[in-house]
Amino acid sequence: DTAVSQTPKYLVTQMGNDKSIKCEQNLGHDTMYWYKQDSKKFLKIMFSYNNKELIINETVPNRFSPKSPDKAHLNLHINSLELGDSAVYFCASSQLQGSNEQFFGPGTRLTVL
Amino acid sequence: DQQVKQNSPSLSVQEGRISILNCDYTNSMFDYFLWYKKYPAEGPTFLISISSIKDKNEDGRFTVFLNKSAKHLSLHIVPSQPGDSAVYFCAANGWNTGNQFYFGTGTSLTVIP
Repeated sequence: DTAVSQTPKYLVTQMGNDKSIKCEQNLGHDTMYWYKQDSKKFLKIMFSYNNKELIINETVPNRFSPKSPDKAHLNLHINSLELGDSAVYFCASSQLQGSNEQFFGPGTRLTVL
Repeated sequence: DQQVKQNSPSLSVQEGRISILNCDYTNSMFDYFLWYKKYPAEGPTFLISISSIKDKNEDGRFTVFLNKSAKHLSLHIVPSQPGDSAVYFCAANGWNTGNQFYFGTGTSLTVIP
């Protein structure tokens, strides 16, 4: 009964392709996030959604677009994949009001060839 | 612009001894700090947190110390156990960062039996 789940766990694809990573949380949280952990292990936030509104949008390429069909899901779409997109992507969620604790998914390792 | 830094990428400690993991930050507006623990192939999991109104928070074998004047916090694990072997991330946010957390690059702790 996973709190935050991501699919797929591994994704290997060619440059130029378009791919999506799905994320679901069953915690009833109001806010969901996407983080990127690069080869230097730096965990950097990309996006967050609160009640279907984008509230943080770091300076990531517009090839990356978050899509939230409902409060429990935040999917990450990536167009025209580049070699530098290879990283581990983590989804997370938190309750905006109250605890600042974020719950993370297991990560998706994306490899662009 | 890395606002949270963990300058030790790795640490090895004998079982039963104390592990001390350090974290420095640059943003004086940060007022909430967390430690996350991450095992391989899993997402980070929340370990312990501290608010800037405190200088110490203890939870079992884990204690976090905050030195606001030095913009420094540390995580003490005592006694260390082999199961504590993991990567530990420090994270921070503040009233002017919304719900955005800034993470350090992590310290890989190895507890030697």
